[in-house]
Amino acid sequence: GEDVEQSLFLSVREGDSSVINCTYTDSSSTYLYWYKQEPGAGLQLLTYIFSNMDMKQDQRLTVLLNKKDKHLSLRIADTQTGDSAIYFCAERRSNDYKLSFGAGTTVTVRA
Amino acid sequence: KAGVTQTPRYLIKTRGQQVTLSCSPISGHRSVSWYQQTPGQGLQFLFEYFSETQRNKGNFPGRFSGRQFSNSRSEMNVSTLELGDSALYLCASQLTGEETQYFGPGTRLLVL
Repeated sequence: GEDVEQSLFLSVREGDSSVINCTYTDSSSTYLYWYKQEPGAGLQLLTYIFSNMDMKQDQRLTVLLNKKDKHLSLRIADTQTGDSAIYFCAERRSNDYKLSFGAGTTVTVRA
Repeated sequence: KAGVTQTPRYLIKTRGQQVTLSCSPISGHRSVSWYQQTPGQGLQFLFEYFSETQRNKGNFPGRFSGRQFSNSRSEMNVSTLELGDSALYLCASQLTGEETQYFGPGTRLLVL
């Protein structure tokens, strides 16, 4: 089965906050990432968090990590139409360069 | 600094042919990873190279191979193409000591 799980779709009104959730199973995951993919493009790194952190904020982005529940979330404040994209959660273990991705959450921003 | 570049961007091949894709990492990055993205399987890890050596390999058949050159540029090769090999192939590079992988725009391969 999937090592990383995400809900597939999220619809949000412009100006509202978006929250994208992700769960992972590997307790040895050390780094957790959020990537954004726009149509026809590659993956853009948004942010990442170490497993010994609970929260990381970067401008409109806030990442929350609940290591006990293996739950990661990405909050986008003041969501804009340019935020419409697929968002991928990924995990990586220390000393391992392989990223394991979730299926991606398609975020649609409506006016 | 230039980002990760991949060539070609689009490719059409027929079953049974072989294909070679190229990836140039960000300057100074010595680790290069390859991923396959399909609608059905999502993003899957193919392999990772560092200093011309394959360090990690995913669960793909032997038809999928790669290599890395002394300038850190990498190529991946798929032989005896199958319809299911149609995908977006993404390359990512990473700087030693840093925690993040940066992706290129991908090569979209269509096998007919």
